[in-house]
Amino acid sequence: DVKVTQSSRYLVKRTGEKVFLECVQDMDHENMFWYRQDPGLGLRLIYFSYDVKMKEKGDIPEGYSVSREKKERFSLILESASTNQTSMYLCASSLLWQGASAYEQYFGPGTRLTVT
Amino acid sequence: GQQLNQSPQSMFIQEGEDVSMNCTSSSIFNTWLWYKQDPGEGPVLLIALYKAGELTSNGRLTAQFGITRKDSFLNISASIPSDVGIYFCAGQNYGQNFVFGPGTRLSVLP
Repeated sequence: DVKVTQSSRYLVKRTGEKVFLECVQDMDHENMFWYRQDPGLGLRLIYFSYDVKMKEKGDIPEGYSVSREKKERFSLILESASTNQTSMYLCASSLLWQGASAYEQYFGPGTRLTVT
Repeated sequence: GQQLNQSPQSMFIQEGEDVSMNCTSSSIFNTWLWYKQDPGEGPVLLIALYKAGELTSNGRLTAQFGITRKDSFLNISASIPSDVGIYFCAGQNYGQNFVFGPGTRLSVLP
């Protein structure tokens, strides 16, 4: 079974703090993704990576950065946390796309971040 | 950007009833996924569909990739209390990332 783990289930941070969210997958997947999930807005893609040291912006990258130093690990960084970044953050991984078709994504349990 | 619509937004059913929900798009997709999410947890993949017209089952769940490639359907037969949760669809077009629907919230009454 695919396993995607996230470093924390719950985090509470103060405005202006630097926040690191870590994600690890054990299935040798090339693609990794970070989403945030908010009521009424669904899942929105922040960043994704298709290889080590590679990153691509998603739909809402502002205020975030990412790091992928190893294939199995993808980190999301909030350089200076703000209250509007309070959300559920979900990491996912998948095999690399073959041609035009994407493979299914597998999600971690999520990190609920509260910024006060 | 692309958007997916899910119907219904929420539903209350009696245990033992069958459930139907759908997902529609204004764009053509070549992959459809269905996920279930329990409160406070990440989405769990239920079914993946890769071909127009494809019908795939996973236990009591059956999903179909619409012939028009703009919709997909999920059916749950003989619902049980643990079916409670939010069901998401996700669609993907050539070379693009997945787009997720807003979800259908299912409640099962004993």
